[in-house]
Amino acid sequence: KQEVTQIPAALSVPEGENLVLNCSFTDSAIYNLQWFRQDPGKGLTSLLLIQSSQREQTSGRLNASLDKSSGRSTLYIAASQPGDSATYLCAVRRGTGNQFYFGTGTSLTVIP
Amino acid sequence: GAVVSQHPSRVICKSGTSVKIECRSLDFQATTMFWYRQFPKKSLMLMATSNEGSKATYEQGVEKDKFLINHASLTLSTLTVTSAHPEDSSFYICSASRSGRGRFSEQFFGPGTRLTVL
Repeated sequence: KQEVTQIPAALSVPEGENLVLNCSFTDSAIYNLQWFRQDPGKGLTSLLLIQSSQREQTSGRLNASLDKSSGRSTLYIAASQPGDSATYLCAVRRGTGNQFYFGTGTSLTVIP
Repeated sequence: GAVVSQHPSRVICKSGTSVKIECRSLDFQATTMFWYRQFPKKSLMLMATSNEGSKATYEQGVEKDKFLINHASLTLSTLTVTSAHPEDSSFYICSASRSGRGRFSEQFFGPGTRLTVL
């Protein structure tokens, strides 16, 4: 069974810092990996989707990388802002079927 | 585009009653919808996959008689929690994939429904 782990579980940084969130998965037979943001008591907002054949995706201040062979993905946030404070989840979709396996999330706090 | 809504956003009910949660794809057709459950400070766990016009596929450990899923149209799936108990209290989130965009197309998530069973 696919297991997805996110480190750290919580992170607090001052505004303006660049930061990296980590996601690892045990089964490299994935179809794609997606990073989401979740605000307290809210649903999920998709940030970046990386297909298994891709190495990275960028959107604004966000950059996600994927190393499928090692079972790792990182989400890089540049010049963090207080509005970036949220829980960040990564999820992998296995090679057969539509099921997503979610990580446990990283709770990010950006201090003004 | 690609908006998924859920109704209600919050519901409080008495133990023993049934609660229906709706998941709608507002601007696209979704052959497949997914229902997740999230416990406080935990990640999302897939409960079942809902396919339009056929029976849902439940994940191991999920009681199909307790969590009834109906996907009657290409834009609507419903989750009914039957005879709810306090341990069913949770945050329920649905997601949908666009029809005709390939089997592994991007999923779009609803805003979630907070269920509290007293």
